[in-house]
Amino acid sequence: SSELTQDPAVSVALGQTVTITCQGDSLRDYHATWYQQRPGQAPALVIYGKSNRPSGIPDRFSGATSGNTASLTITGAQAEDEADYYCKSRDFSGSHLVFGGGTKLTVL
Amino acid sequence: QVQLQQSGPGLVKPSGTLSLTCAVSGDSINSSYWWNWVRQPPGKGLEWIGEIYYNGNTNYNPSLKSRVTISVDKSKNQFSLRLTSVTAADTAVYYCARDLVVPSTDPFDYWSQGTRVTVSS
Repeated sequence: SSELTQDPAVSVALGQTVTITCQGDSLRDYHATWYQQRPGQAPALVIYGKSNRPSGIPDRFSGATSGNTASLTITGAQAEDEADYYCKSRDFSGSHLVFGGGTKLTVL
Repeated sequence: QVQLQQSGPGLVKPSGTLSLTCAVSGDSINSSYWWNWVRQPPGKGLEWIGEIYYNGNTNYNPSLKSRVTISVDKSKNQFSLRLTSVTAADTAVYYCARDLVVPSTDPFDYWSQGTRVTVSS
């Protein structure tokens, strides 16, 4: 399957740790890329590769993969982390990209 | 600093053609990147439309392939999206983005601000 499945919504208490998951068979061959999208803004890259962060992304963001599941972990969630998070990967053909359906993170 | 600046109409008539351009500044479109289009219908998630390499190679979302053309204009350092036979389902915010091209992953490190395109008569 070329689909990526994410939980629609996740919540976390301020300062606690939260993990957002992305499931898909293609993740056995390709790393997931994670994006954060705040309301009214373009998506922003937060994690790529095994667990690489672009410049400016806090180190509380990390990524991992196990089997067909990729995960984005926020250790010590902050109020500004409240956003939609999308995973993305290539499909098995390697010729097409696909996004997960997105996870809305609420910081309580 | 790389910037992607979109241009194009915000309103397209049903059955018409949607055309958007993404001008790249701060980098050459001849660089070894894939240049992408992504869209987001109102209240929904992101959908990958397609990509073009600096040499003109393209890949398209299979669900849109019959209606999509992505092209590059090296002289103007820009790339373009053309989507034909549009319907209300094509109403979305359209983004262009640069793919950094890292092995086994495809990070879109720069995005445009997005253009809201409405399909309506």
